[in-house]
Amino acid sequence: AQSVTQLGSHVSVSEGALVLLRCNYSSSVPPYLFWYVQYPNQGLQLLLKYTSAATLVKGINGFEAEFKKSETSFHLTKPSAHMSDAAEYFCAVSAGGTSYGKLTFGQGTILTVHP
Amino acid sequence: DAGVTQSPTHLIKTRGQQVTLRCSPKSGHDTVSWYQQALGQGPQFIFQYYEEEERQRGNFPDRFSGHQFPNYSSELNVNALLLGDSALYLCASSFGVSGANVLTFGAGSRLTVL
Repeated sequence: AQSVTQLGSHVSVSEGALVLLRCNYSSSVPPYLFWYVQYPNQGLQLLLKYTSAATLVKGINGFEAEFKKSETSFHLTKPSAHMSDAAEYFCAVSAGGTSYGKLTFGQGTILTVHP
Repeated sequence: DAGVTQSPTHLIKTRGQQVTLRCSPKSGHDTVSWYQQALGQGPQFIFQYYEEEERQRGNFPDRFSGHQFPNYSSELNVNALLLGDSALYLCASSFGVSGANVLTFGAGSRLTVL
């Protein structure tokens, strides 16, 4: 079974500041990990994914995440926040192999960016 | 290239009624998954269809059922609606069933049960 915990339901940063959104996972098998973003009244859009290749994964819009097996973490970072980054972010885990599209999502973190 | 399209976008039902939601996958995709996203929560997996069969199911009662058609489109049916069924229902598509596949999500159907 898989589970995801996102630490902090709300994160607020100033424009230009570092963005750090935390995600810890639990999985009985080597996981695939994903970060998705959701803008108001829209579906989820993939930011990046980890599938057992490089542990530092680069995604769209300047986001990146590092897979740390020893800490069971997959935190999302961006060096400099932009106003357009304001949205809700979801971390998700999938079991390896044939999981039939079953993603287990965290509760989400709402990112607010102040001017 | 059209992504995942869902209909209707919004609907209101009363307790005890039945609802059908529809999804057309992204071109080239053959697998459809359905998720329920309650207000303030992350999406929860309902089930997935591949080759017109339900392949895996989340922790949802039998009131939730679905179907996949030969053109890969899908329907989600919910019977005997409860107030707690009020949520955003997301459809996602992918090619194949690997856990590494990226899901493409639609904008969702927002269901309100009164």
